[in-house]
Amino acid sequence: AQKVTQAQTEISVVEKEDVTLDCVYETRDTTYYLFWYKQPPSGELVFLIRRNSFDEQNEISGRYSWNFQKSTSSFNFTITASQVVDSAVYFCALSEKNTGFQKLVFGTGTRLLVSP
Amino acid sequence: DSGVTQTPKHLITATGQRVTLRCSPRSGDLSVYWYQQSLDQGLQFLIQYYNGEERAKGNILERFSAQQFPDLHSELNLSSLELGDSALYFCASSVGNPSASYEQYFGPGTRLTVT
Repeated sequence: AQKVTQAQTEISVVEKEDVTLDCVYETRDTTYYLFWYKQPPSGELVFLIRRNSFDEQNEISGRYSWNFQKSTSSFNFTITASQVVDSAVYFCALSEKNTGFQKLVFGTGTRLLVSP
Repeated sequence: DSGVTQTPKHLITATGQRVTLRCSPRSGDLSVYWYQQSLDQGLQFLIQYYNGEERAKGNILERFSAQQFPDLHSELNLSSLELGDSALYFCASSVGNPSASYEQYFGPGTRLTVT
């Protein structure tokens, strides 16, 4: 069965600190995709990244970076030099080939509070 | 702005009633997905349509149904509403090619309150 665990319910940091959001996933499939979404206070879900199971290269996009490690079934997200605008709930999600990639299974989310 | 539109933004209704939520996908996207976000259940997949056909079902109650029309917009119908149906309902769309998992772009959601 597929499952995504985000053990950190809430993280509080001060602006300019680096912060890492953890994501651990479970799947029996060898072909799957991992995602991160951001949900700011306004409520919409904003796509951040998609990574397939065959690509373990880390990715960097501006202040955001992602570390994918199949050996530990983790897909962690780091924000460097955090800003107040980064305050949001961040969700990690998984889709599997077994289910035809048709649904995203989300973790419970991590609320990030960045204070000035 | 994701390009996915949902109406209405807010809906307040009474128990036992029926409501319809509407979604227009991004231009060019063939797949539409519906998700429910509630405090106790988190974000849960409900159902997916691809080019007018139902493709996958998740934890969707029998009181709920959906369809995708020829112009690719979709409607989610919720009937015999209960207090526990109060939630934020998201629509998402993607290219939807079944051979891969493309990013899903989410609409702003419809907040349903059942009183």
